[in-house]
Amino acid sequence: DTAVSQTPKYLVTQMGNDKSIKCEQNLGHDTMYWYKQDSKKFLKIMFSYNNKELIINETVPNRFSPKSPDKAHLNLHINSLELGDSAVYFCASSQDFSGSGNTEAFFGQGTRLTVV
Amino acid sequence: GIQVEQSPPDLILQEGANSTLRCNFSDSVNNLQWFHQNPWGQLINLFYIPSGTKQNGRLSATTVATERYSLLYISSSQTTDSGVYFCAAPRNSGNTPLVFGKGTRLSVIA
Repeated sequence: DTAVSQTPKYLVTQMGNDKSIKCEQNLGHDTMYWYKQDSKKFLKIMFSYNNKELIINETVPNRFSPKSPDKAHLNLHINSLELGDSAVYFCASSQDFSGSGNTEAFFGQGTRLTVV
Repeated sequence: GIQVEQSPPDLILQEGANSTLRCNFSDSVNNLQWFHQNPWGQLINLFYIPSGTKQNGRLSATTVATERYSLLYISSSQTTDSGVYFCAAPRNSGNTPLVFGKGTRLSVIA
């Protein structure tokens, strides 16, 4: 059973299109995240959700809109895609958000987005 | 927020050799994770180790929280160990999300 799963694994699209990436976790975790990995392999947080509520938005352009229909799902919708959006996007989850709990994070397999 | 630095940035090993990867962090932590990103891009959890020492097969990790560093030991390296090793710690006051180091790129040659 996959703990954190994302779809699709690969996404190739033209500039200006709108696309979505889906993420689901079956770990029963309360907190979910989107991270972006750039071409130099640097991983950086984009969004954090706790119990379906947005708690962190890292100055990501508002073309990126996360949506959490329930605790187990966190989807990422991207409008008007640009060449610079090409990257690998990782979904992750952890049981808790704060240090008093279990904050071990588990990652999905990543979605490689290529904008042409 | 916390700063996470890893060394060395690149490492080439002959199969069977041992290695030590280092992670320094700028603030106290109550979570420290090591990940292996394999050549297919998957991020695999290796250790959740805010302090102390843990072992898993040929890999072990030690975090000395008071001195703000963690070490990942790889013994008898194999070609399948190749990839990028990341350490990560919570951004501030123990709250997630994680801040990642830039990684150590390991190549194990047969």
